[in-house]
Amino acid sequence: DAKTTQPTSMDCAEGRAANLPCNHSTISGNEYVYWYRQIHSQGPQYIIHGLKNNETNEMASLIITEDRKSSTLILPHATLRDTAVYYCIVRVPYNAGNMLTFGGGTRLMVKP
Amino acid sequence: SAVISQKPSRDICQRGTSLTIQCQVDSQVTMMFWYRQQPGQSLTLIATANQGSEATYESGFVIDKFPISRPNLTFSTLTVSNMSPEDSSIYLCSGRGQTNTEAFFGQGTRLTVV
Repeated sequence: DAKTTQPTSMDCAEGRAANLPCNHSTISGNEYVYWYRQIHSQGPQYIIHGLKNNETNEMASLIITEDRKSSTLILPHATLRDTAVYYCIVRVPYNAGNMLTFGGGTRLMVKP
Repeated sequence: SAVISQKPSRDICQRGTSLTIQCQVDSQVTMMFWYRQQPGQSLTLIATANQGSEATYESGFVIDKFPISRPNLTFSTLTVSNMSPEDSSIYLCSGRGQTNTEAFFGQGTRLTVV
């Protein structure tokens, strides 16, 4: 699986959009971009994933650049409950192991 | 998505003893994994739990220290053997079903070895 680079930490004001970047310059053609988050004292939670088109669900939007070398997770109206570590992972969905390889992630702090 | 229950949620154990962590999924999953998360760190994969056969361990983890069972498609156990304070971590179970590409996680077991 390709490696990713994320900022160590970010702050966001409550009610504003949180934009979390991820660089994955070595992504291969069959690898998807996945986002998970881990709220303190909980297991990781799936957020969203995509291949090359932008994706949106009830939790977030995922914007992938045309060259697929980077992406941005957008939480449109961040709340205090969105304070968590956000992990960007690139992987082939149905590879043999199907395990996730976690990097350091971005610690997002949503402030009142 | 499936729900994973882990037991115990936390424990404090004496060094030299062993602890078995149980992971129960509410539906059949094709793949189950065990992760370790040391204090302030990201998640590290310990092994893939294979149904009816020996688990597949990642580099740095061995069966004698972390024996794993998976007798069916909804249940797995991880044992942390002969514990030392360095084993103090959160241990997480993860699963993936056949029709969905995302993985889901249990709430973790917070282990403290004294």
